[in-house]
Amino acid sequence: GAVVSQHPSRVICKSGTSVKIECRSLDFQATTMFWYRQFPKQSLMLMATSNEGSKATYEQGVEKDKFLINHASLTLSTLTVTSAHPEDSSFYICSYRVGLVRANYGYTFGSGTRLTVV
Amino acid sequence: AQTVTQSQPEMSVQEAETVTLSCTYDTSESDYYLFWYKQPPSRQMILVIRQEAYKQQNATENRFSVNFQKAAKSFSLKISDSQLGDAAMYFCAYEAQGTYKYIFGTGTRLKVLA
Repeated sequence: GAVVSQHPSRVICKSGTSVKIECRSLDFQATTMFWYRQFPKQSLMLMATSNEGSKATYEQGVEKDKFLINHASLTLSTLTVTSAHPEDSSFYICSYRVGLVRANYGYTFGSGTRLTVV
Repeated sequence: AQTVTQSQPEMSVQEAETVTLSCTYDTSESDYYLFWYKQPPSRQMILVIRQEAYKQQNATENRFSVNFQKAAKSFSLKISDSQLGDAAMYFCAYEAQGTYKYIFGTGTRLKVLA
């Protein structure tokens, strides 16, 4: 259980265009989703927390106008990288929090999207 | 601010041997969670083991166990009987109770030698 489908797995786009990344929970509903960014050979950095039906909360230093997050339903969250530039090239990963009881809650991650901006 | 430090960028272990990956963290909180995640070449993050700070007993999952030293703020991962499939990046992560936010360490790349 707790499977997350992230799409696309890999995308190459031209500088100045926008790219949408989707994360879908396949067998559960989640009110909260997290978007991470991972630079090559580096750790995951939390970009934003997305709550269903409300505005996302962005971490310090993350431009909310560049990284648009939409969490319109309990099973789908999207991250749109607007006016992409080469420095936005990175690996983006979504994560859902699953479980409410302290004893068994955790997080499940999507398989990630490698974005290359040329 | 909380921080997580993994001081070993890379480790190697012979197949069937035991290896320990180190993780230290800094926090003023008393209630939190600690995790070890594995990221194989596929880049899919896989939960290896989880420890709750209020539990003194070290968590164990099959060949994986932790040595949780709360006073020392240390959380090492021991992998016994290492297998080729264990080769991956391993990330230590911290979450303060109720924040729902991970703070990840920089990772340790584990190589398993046949």
